[in-house]
Amino acid sequence: KAGVTQTPRYLIKTRGQQVTLSCSPISGHRSVSWYQQTPGQGLQFLFEYFSETQRNKGNFPGRFSGRQFSNSRSEMNVSTLELGDSALYLCASSPLTSGSSYEQYFGPGTRLTVT
Amino acid sequence: DQQVKQNSPSLSVQEGRISILNCDYTNSMFDYFLWYKKYPAEGPTFLISISSIKDKNEDGRFTVFLNKSAKHLSLHIVPSQPGDSAVYFCAAPGDNYGQNFVFGPGTRLSVLP
Repeated sequence: KAGVTQTPRYLIKTRGQQVTLSCSPISGHRSVSWYQQTPGQGLQFLFEYFSETQRNKGNFPGRFSGRQFSNSRSEMNVSTLELGDSALYLCASSPLTSGSSYEQYFGPGTRLTVT
Repeated sequence: DQQVKQNSPSLSVQEGRISILNCDYTNSMFDYFLWYKKYPAEGPTFLISISSIKDKNEDGRFTVFLNKSAKHLSLHIVPSQPGDSAVYFCAAPGDNYGQNFVFGPGTRLSVLP
């Protein structure tokens, strides 16, 4: 089975721009979560989608948004980029089946640099 | 609110010896804990999990112990191998619904040949 894929892998944007990141979960996985990783804050939960619905949201401003499509693929969008948004953005998918309900499988991440 | 702490930022161990990585959490309402390993330039890789109905879970060289009364987890790697050198994260549910996991800051393990 192919793993979680994220595109693009690297991105450079300037302050004020917006960006869209894409995630394709493992086939059959319906839950997709997004995390931000920075050296200072570690891994922080952004939001989770399941069956095209946002089920859970972390403590991030409204500039961070996402969506999930019927094929479980997900996108996250960051508008009005700030320097502090520079981070590794990780997507994780989960099968949510009995016996493995909470295991998340991460993609390689998208490294976003805001200048 | 869940907080997850890994008080050792780094750990060095000789090849073949035991590595013990520790993790403390604050909210015992939630009952499932995960360990991840992360190499540079890669996403975290799921390693092993434990449910609160158990106090131990073993998978090959990796064993996770859960002490519910102390709100403490530990990951044992025996024997340690140079390929185990990575950053290890402990994760606990942030709430009882969905996939909101709270991660610890990580412990960088170096296994010396």
